[in-house]
Amino acid sequence: DTAVSQTPKYLVTQMGNDKSIKCEQNLGHDTMYWYKQDSKKFLKIMFSYNNKELIINETVPNRFSPKSPDKAHLNLHINSLELGDSAVYFCASSHTLQADNEQFFGPGTRLTVL
Amino acid sequence: DAKTTQPNSMESNEEEPVHLPCNHSTISGTDYIHWYRQLPSQGPEYVIHGLTSNVNNRMASLAIAEDRKSSTLILHRATLRDAAVYYCIPGGDSNYQLIWGAGTKLIIKP
Repeated sequence: DTAVSQTPKYLVTQMGNDKSIKCEQNLGHDTMYWYKQDSKKFLKIMFSYNNKELIINETVPNRFSPKSPDKAHLNLHINSLELGDSAVYFCASSHTLQADNEQFFGPGTRLTVL
Repeated sequence: DAKTTQPNSMESNEEEPVHLPCNHSTISGTDYIHWYRQLPSQGPEYVIHGLTSNVNNRMASLAIAEDRKSSTLILHRATLRDAAVYYCIPGGDSNYQLIWGAGTKLIIKP
């Protein structure tokens, strides 16, 4: 019954590796997001997709590539991982892009790059 | 993007009301005021949002100043489960984004 789920919950990997984080929402929402929360706890939006189309692409290195195979899924692939990529990554969804829509967040994926 | 000012932390006793203030003096006329909270080791959770009028829901009340330059989130009877970081986030309309600040860490004392 989880509304927004992410896998894996924890990810520990070496520098230079490539990894993916998966996100699924079962709410029937049109819009999905990826956020990064760093060690100082600031949440920053990375990407947003609406009906599988990229809407927001903040200043994120090209090593990060989101992929939305359908409206219910937004996966995040990261190439050539760096130490600075260590953070908690949150997926979220909302009914539409409209400003007054509530965003529902997943439990987060804690990525540690060694 | 509208900037916000919130206290770094606040303490309150259990079962007492809590008033969490937020200043957003540069808010645009069409931006909503959103409040989210993040419990320890969890993803953020929606609390409430409003535009101009005060709003109530099962979790909290939102009091918005007439000039919209500030707002107050009111938890009517805080419990230990309300201990979290509370984020006040103006925005969303002009660029679809929510810009998150540092929030207020709410500590509830039993």
